[in-house]
Amino acid sequence: DTGVSQDPRHKITKRGQNVTFRCDPISEHNRLYWYRQTLGQGPEFLTYFQNEAQLEKSRLLSDRFSAERPKGSFSTLEIQRTEQGDSAMYLCASSLVRDGNTIYFGEGSWLTVV
Amino acid sequence: DAKTTQPPSMDCAEGRAANLPCNHSTISGNEYVYWYRQIHSQGPQYIIHGLKNNETNEMASLIITEDRKSSTLILPHATLRDTAVYYCIVRSAAGNKLTFGGGTRVLVKP
Repeated sequence: DTGVSQDPRHKITKRGQNVTFRCDPISEHNRLYWYRQTLGQGPEFLTYFQNEAQLEKSRLLSDRFSAERPKGSFSTLEIQRTEQGDSAMYLCASSLVRDGNTIYFGEGSWLTVV
Repeated sequence: DAKTTQPPSMDCAEGRAANLPCNHSTISGNEYVYWYRQIHSQGPQYIIHGLKNNETNEMASLIITEDRKSSTLILPHATLRDTAVYYCIVRSAAGNKLTFGGGTRVLVKP
């Protein structure tokens, strides 16, 4: 499978715990995006990287959220001190700027905070 | 990026063509029209995009009006697996993100 890969696909955690999601983009894609989607809503942009540089962060990305892409390949999204309102699907996507910049999404990571 | 307007829902019959409209009256000259769909509990799937010419691929056809203020996504032979939320998004090719609106919830009925 050469698509965007996300892990884990499902995570149930207790309120106050930290969670980390991993995203492996399509090979050689230089842009990587994180989105969040709650039930009944469309995906909302959180942040994006070009190579290893984080170029934009949404106001939705509170101080408890941190994203990294240390070597310009895979990325992690960490949520500290989770709250019930963090329950959502976290989507990763990637694109190659020089090849039309079409964005391709992974299947998402579902987070349930209990 | 320009905003888009789509009907909230529509039904279509299995085996028939599904025509999904989208208005984007404030589109700029360098902005493309992208279509994605999202099947329940899955990530958005890229369908097609275009600038001003009509486009066709194995999934769908995209018809853009000459003034580029609206477009139509055509699924030529809808199947039950085409039931999904379809999003029309306007974005420049160099744009850094997609901004999703409400989309059109399409229900394909047998």
